[in-house]
Amino acid sequence: DVKVTQSSRYLVKRTGEKVFLECVQDMDHENMFWYRQDPGLGLRLIYFSYDVKMKEKGDIPEGYSVSREKKERFSLILESASTNQTSMYLCASTISGRVVTGELFFGEGSRLTVL
Amino acid sequence: AQSVTQLGSHVSVSEGALVLLRCNYSSSVPPYLFWYVQYPNQGLQLLLKYTTGATLVKGINGFEAEFKKSETSFHLTKPSAHMSDAAEYFCAVRNTGNQFYFGTGTSLTVIP
Repeated sequence: DVKVTQSSRYLVKRTGEKVFLECVQDMDHENMFWYRQDPGLGLRLIYFSYDVKMKEKGDIPEGYSVSREKKERFSLILESASTNQTSMYLCASTISGRVVTGELFFGEGSRLTVL
Repeated sequence: AQSVTQLGSHVSVSEGALVLLRCNYSSSVPPYLFWYVQYPNQGLQLLLKYTTGATLVKGINGFEAEFKKSETSFHLTKPSAHMSDAAEYFCAVRNTGNQFYFGTGTSLTVIP
């Protein structure tokens, strides 16, 4: 069964801490995404990556960075967590844009609380 | 940029009643359309997708959706709601690149 795995389901951090959210997919997908989900706002794209070591800003990249050193792994980094980054974070992957009908596969989500 | 509009952030239906969740999109080219379902504290799961061909698409759990180009709509329906259908539903569009655009979601409540 295909899978996107997010390393932490629930995290509680303090303001100013550095936070790492890890995501691994086993489908050999080129494209990986990080979304943030908040009530009433739907899913907002933070960053995405088309290939190893490549990254593109999404709609709300401020306060976040990403790393993609291996094809299967896409990490989201909060350099200095703030309370307004309390949210549900969703990782997703999809096959290359050459096959544009492909859907996104999502992980279970990481619910981050920043105190 | 494309946009996706889901009419009604909250929909309530009685168990056994018809479920209708509305989705309209803006697109200048034929889109690829998706419906996802999200249960509490979980990720999104694909319900169904439209790419090409038949405009009536059947998905999992008895859901289906019809692509209507003239109305730029992709409404989700299920003839008879079940308690287990209570969840958040998201409509999404993918363009010819790698970009996905999501609606803000519709929370479905099923009343026993």
